[in-house]
Amino acid sequence: AQKITQTQPGMFVQEKEAVTLDCTYDTSDPSYGLFWYKQPSSGEMIFLIYQGSYDQQNATEGRYSLNFQKARKSANLVISASQLGDSAMYFCAMRVAGDYKLSFGAGTTVTVRA
Amino acid sequence: DADVTQTPRNRITKTGKRIMLECSQTKGHDRMYWYRQDPGLGLRLIYYSFDVKDINKGEISDGYSVSRQAQAKFSLSLESAIPNQTALYFCATSDSGTGSYEQYFGPGTRLTVT
Repeated sequence: AQKITQTQPGMFVQEKEAVTLDCTYDTSDPSYGLFWYKQPSSGEMIFLIYQGSYDQQNATEGRYSLNFQKARKSANLVISASQLGDSAMYFCAMRVAGDYKLSFGAGTTVTVRA
Repeated sequence: DADVTQTPRNRITKTGKRIMLECSQTKGHDRMYWYRQDPGLGLRLIYYSFDVKDINKGEISDGYSVSRQAQAKFSLSLESAIPNQTALYFCATSDSGTGSYEQYFGPGTRLTVT
């Protein structure tokens, strides 16, 4: 079974600073994908970034980058130049090849301070 | 228009009532999923469907049933609602033909059972 661990229930960050959200995962399957989703207070799930297990480079999408350390089974999300609109819950998720579902971590709440 | 829609967006119902949550998608995806989100637990899979005639139970299917009326429609029913089914419910879709692991989420239905 796959497991996703997010150890930071909540974080505060100053506007314009960077923040790193931790995510570790556990799977024995060599082929998998890792995702980060943002959930603002309105409730919708917004896809941020994806990293495949065979990707050679770390994924980046605008101010989001994924620090993928395969040997350590970690997939941390880095948000650069934080904005007030980044205040939200962030979920790490994983899906292995041939499986049908995403496995989610418990989430990290980020609060950006002005 | 949103690619994945859910109705209703909010619902308050009483214990013992039957309620149906509906999901429609215009993405042309073959796979559809129902998840529920409880505070501090991330999302958990209730049911999933690979096509109209292929419906499967997820992690937490007890107390729920589903119907895949068409490729674009997937409904979740609570036959006799109970208070611990109060949660945020998400529908999601994915395309088995692209090889992508990504799932696309609807806006969520906030259900309260009193």
